[in-house]
Amino acid sequence: GESVGLHLPTLSVQEGDNSIINCAYSNSASDYFIWYKQESGKGPQFIIDIRSNMDKRQGQRVTVLLNKTVKHLSLQIAATQPGDSAVYFCAEKASGTYKYIFGTGTRLKVLA
Amino acid sequence: EPEVTQTPSHQVTQMGQEVILRCVPISNHLYFYWYRQILGQKVEFLVSFYNNEISEKSEIFDDQFSVERPDGSNFTLKIRSTKLEDSAMYFCASLRTVQGMGNTEAFFGQGTRLTVV
Repeated sequence: GESVGLHLPTLSVQEGDNSIINCAYSNSASDYFIWYKQESGKGPQFIIDIRSNMDKRQGQRVTVLLNKTVKHLSLQIAATQPGDSAVYFCAEKASGTYKYIFGTGTRLKVLA
Repeated sequence: EPEVTQTPSHQVTQMGQEVILRCVPISNHLYFYWYRQILGQKVEFLVSFYNNEISEKSEIFDDQFSVERPDGSNFTLKIRSTKLEDSAMYFCASLRTVQGMGNTEAFFGQGTRLTVV
């Protein structure tokens, strides 16, 4: 079956530190991955994506790493800010489909 | 910036009643989705819609659910006879992709909070 899960349900970091949010996936047929940020009462908001033919992609303050050998995805946020506090979901899409499957989510709390 | 819009933002309905949740996807997008999120839980896939028909659906999307694109802009989710456990946030999403253009992200609306009492 297909499943996407997260190692840590809650992550607390000091403002200014770097954050690393992890995600494990089980479907080796997945060819595309997205990290979404969800603030309270809002819909998921796209942060960054990566295709399966890549192992790293950088955005503004964010980096996504993909390790297909161990089916692991991570989101690194540099210099974490209070506005980064939210729930972060990884989502995967299997090759040949357009269905996005979400992981269980990690709550990031930024401490002042 | 174009966005997916959903109405209403909050719907309260009595158990057994029918509800219709409405969405206006981004205008040049081709795939449309409904997801739901029970409070505090993950975002669950319900259904995807492409070329005026359902392309994939989950086990959650049983005979009580239906989707429709009644015109060129709206995309609706109907729940025929609501149950208490249907209470959740329902998110509409849309995706622009054309064969051979590679993967793109799905854009989500702000959701409709459905409360069944």
